[in-house]
Amino acid sequence: EAGVTQFPSHSVIEKGQTVTLRCDPISGHDNLYWYRRVMGKEIKFLLHFVKESKQDESGMPNNRFLAERTGGTYSTLKVQPAELEDSGVYFCASSVTGTGLYFGPGTRLTVL
Amino acid sequence: AQSVTQLDSQVPVFEEAPVELRCNYSSSVSVYLFWYVQYPNQGLQLLLKYLSGSTLVKGINGFEAEFNKSQTSFHLRKPSVHISDTAEYFCAVSEDTDKLIFGTGTRLQVFP
Repeated sequence: EAGVTQFPSHSVIEKGQTVTLRCDPISGHDNLYWYRRVMGKEIKFLLHFVKESKQDESGMPNNRFLAERTGGTYSTLKVQPAELEDSGVYFCASSVTGTGLYFGPGTRLTVL
Repeated sequence: AQSVTQLDSQVPVFEEAPVELRCNYSSSVSVYLFWYVQYPNQGLQLLLKYLSGSTLVKGINGFEAEFNKSQTSFHLRKPSVHISDTAEYFCAVSEDTDKLIFGTGTRLQVFP
């Protein structure tokens, strides 16, 4: 069984540009989560999808961040325009409710 | 609000020595507790979890953790570490098993 995959693994962009991160969850997992770790700090929750619906987006930092989950399958997280403080590692995770999260390898975003 | 404290940002230890990684949490409700590990260039992997029942939880790779409700702790232990245990370890708490609150992580460095 394939795990959670994320693309790209690394992204380096300049301040003001747009970046889109993609997450493919484990097949059959209705729950999809985005988390972020800023350098040296804790991993923080961003948002939670159940199928294609946003269940909880209380962790989204501001309206420069837009997450979608088309058809309840893969998800994208767009940052537009990117700022320096958006740099960090963005993790995606998926689950069947109550069984625990399976994390992807993360996307390392660097904003210059 | 829930929070997790991992007091040790780095723990150096020699191979075959025992190790304890400390984790304390705060919460006003019953919680579920987790330890995740991130090996270099990989995603987060679940080591073990406490949901209910026995307070001593055994996980993968010889790790175990003990839930202590009175001390609000969930310390991770291994009696004899290996070089391959070098990684970053994250303690996390949740009210519902999926939305996790993470600590800042502890880097375990095992020396030969």
